[in-house]
Amino acid sequence: AQSVTQLGSHVSVSEGALVLLRCNYSSSVPPYLFWYVQYPNQGLQLLLKYTSAATLVKGINGFEAEFKKSETSFHLTKPSAHMSDAAEYFCAVAYGNNRLAFGKGNQVVVIP
Amino acid sequence: ETGVTQSPTHLIKTRGQQVTLRCSSQSGHNTVSWYQQALGQGPQFIFQYYREEENGRGNFPPRFSGLQFPNYSSELNVNALELDDSALYLCASIAGGPGSGNEQFFGPGTRLTVL
Repeated sequence: AQSVTQLGSHVSVSEGALVLLRCNYSSSVPPYLFWYVQYPNQGLQLLLKYTSAATLVKGINGFEAEFKKSETSFHLTKPSAHMSDAAEYFCAVAYGNNRLAFGKGNQVVVIP
Repeated sequence: ETGVTQSPTHLIKTRGQQVTLRCSSQSGHNTVSWYQQALGQGPQFIFQYYREEENGRGNFPPRFSGLQFPNYSSELNVNALELDDSALYLCASIAGGPGSGNEQFFGPGTRLTVL
C-alpha cells in the first residue's frame, strides 16, 4: 500500500535560513507525489507535484522538491525562509484513481 | 472561475446525531473526493464520487455515505455520530476524471465538533 512518512511534526527555522522538510514514500508503482501547504483555518493548497517528468520540481512561493527513487524520497526545500512560510506542510502520494495518502504533516514556525 | 466551496463552515453536533456536509466542485470538475483531517493529523481519504457513483472508498464504516448530483456537487452524510468523528472535513474536486492525474483542488473544509 502506498504511504508517506514525514518526520518531526514541528520544524523551527530562522527567517532567511534554509527550509528543509523530509518526505519518504512507499509505493509499489511509479508514484505521483505532491506537497501541499495549509494555512490556519484554510484548505490545502498545492505547492508542487512530481509526475515522472523532471526529478527536480519547482513550485510556488520559491519551493522546490527533488524526487530520488533510490532513496524513495521527495524532500521539500526553500533557500530562504520568509515569515509568510509559517504553515503546515503535507507530503502526499497518489494511488488508485487520484486518491491521496498524506503524511502527518510538518508545522513550520519561522523565527524572526 | 469559482473554486471549491463547502458548507457549513462550522458545525456542532452531539453523539448519535446525523450530519450532512456539502461541497460545490470547481466549475467543470466532474470528480469529487472527501477527506477527514483529525486534529494534528494528515487528511485521510473517505471516498470519491465520479458520474454520481462512488468510485473508491477508504477505511471508513458504512455510516459514512455520500452523494454526487448531476451538477457534480456532492454531500457527505455521517450517521450515528461518535466523538472521534470530530475533525475537519475536506472536499476536493478534479478535472478530467479519477485517473487523469490532474491536480485536486481543495475547499476550505467544514469543522465538525461532536460533543
